[in-house]
Amino acid sequence: KQEVTQIPAALSVPEGENLVLNCSFTDSAIYNLQWFRQDPGKGLTSLLLIQSSQREQTSGRLNASLDKSSGRSTLYIAASQPGDSATYLCAVRGGANSKLTFGKGITLSVRP
Amino acid sequence: DAGITQSPRYKITETGRQVTLMCHQTWSHSYMFWYRQDLGHGLRLIYYSAAADITDKGEVPDGYVVSRSKTENFPLTLESATRSQTSVYFCASKISYEQYFGPGTRLTVT
Repeated sequence: KQEVTQIPAALSVPEGENLVLNCSFTDSAIYNLQWFRQDPGKGLTSLLLIQSSQREQTSGRLNASLDKSSGRSTLYIAASQPGDSATYLCAVRGGANSKLTFGKGITLSVRP
Repeated sequence: DAGITQSPRYKITETGRQVTLMCHQTWSHSYMFWYRQDLGHGLRLIYYSAAADITDKGEVPDGYVVSRSKTENFPLTLESATRSQTSVYFCASKISYEQYFGPGTRLTVT
């Protein structure tokens, strides 16, 4: 059974800092990995999706990497801003039509 | 606007009552999902549907019923609500590789 772990559960950083959010998964046979953002009281917004054949994806200040063999992904946020404060979840999919398995998320607080 | 809508956004109900949460998508995505999100458990899949009239159980299906007579709608019914079903419920749909989520319904069972 696939398990996804995100540690730490919460993180507080000063504005402007570059930071890395980690995600690990137990079964390396994944189809893709997706990073989501969730603001308090809101739904999940997709940030980046990495196919199993890819090593990384970039969108603006966000860069997600994938190392399938070691069961790890990182989400890099450059020059963090208070508006980046949210919960970040990663999720992996085992096959094209398989369900997503979610981590519990990392709650990020960026201090002005 | 295109996307996924959920209704109601907030609901308070009593133990033993039947309640239905609605989900509507405008994209005609084949796959739709229902999740619940609870502190300490994260997101857990309740039911999913690969197409109209095709549904299947997820991790935590007990106490829930779904139907999908039309591609765009995927209602979730709690047949006899219990306090343990107090949660935030998210509907989602999938096209190709990506999954998209609705805004959620916060359900409180008293």
